[in-house]
Amino acid sequence: SAVISQKPSRDICQRGTSLTIQCQVDSQVTMMFWYRQQPGQSLTLIATANQGSEATYESGFVIDKFPISRPNLTFSTLTVSNMSPEDSSIYLCSGRGVYTGELFFGEGSRLTVL
Amino acid sequence: QKEVEQNSGPLSVPEGAIASLNCTYSDRVSQSFFWYRQYSGKSPELIMSIYSNGDKEDGRFTAQLNKASQYVSLLIRDSQPSDSATYLCAVIGGADGLTFGKGTHLIIQP
Repeated sequence: SAVISQKPSRDICQRGTSLTIQCQVDSQVTMMFWYRQQPGQSLTLIATANQGSEATYESGFVIDKFPISRPNLTFSTLTVSNMSPEDSSIYLCSGRGVYTGELFFGEGSRLTVL
Repeated sequence: QKEVEQNSGPLSVPEGAIASLNCTYSDRVSQSFFWYRQYSGKSPELIMSIYSNGDKEDGRFTAQLNKASQYVSLLIRDSQPSDSATYLCAVIGGADGLTFGKGTHLIIQP
């Protein structure tokens, strides 16, 4: 399985500020994705992180709010901009294995916005 | 819009019995199907993948896929208290990320 590292693991932020989450994957991953899991809910795909180009966002998510970068094959960042309490959630980085469609997850970043 | 449906539970099963978890999906072109286990406060962990109709066994876990009925299930034999978790069904069709169901909360009673 792929090794996926995320940081920070958790943070408490003030309303109106922005936070960038970093994700590092090993070479066994091709595609990278960002998910959100709100309290008591399942996972919702935010976007596909494309290497060297703009991310592909799912319905309901926009680049101004969730800018994503993927400058190389193994690294991506997600920024949660102008945060409000509704953004309090776990944000998960994931990567798809090279040889299968299996998706592996990082440990997640638990964000609390006050 | 792809949809994945699961019974949210909780599903309560006595220790040692078989736990049966079910999932239906809406997108007929979906080709790959996955079961994830998620303990409270942890990230999802892949436990089974299945791509062809029929059964796939891995230890105490058996995944079953019926593409004609758009149905996938997970059986857990000899259930243990450590199997208590939320089980997420996920499907993929093409290059997109996975679409997840809401998950079934499984409780194994000692």
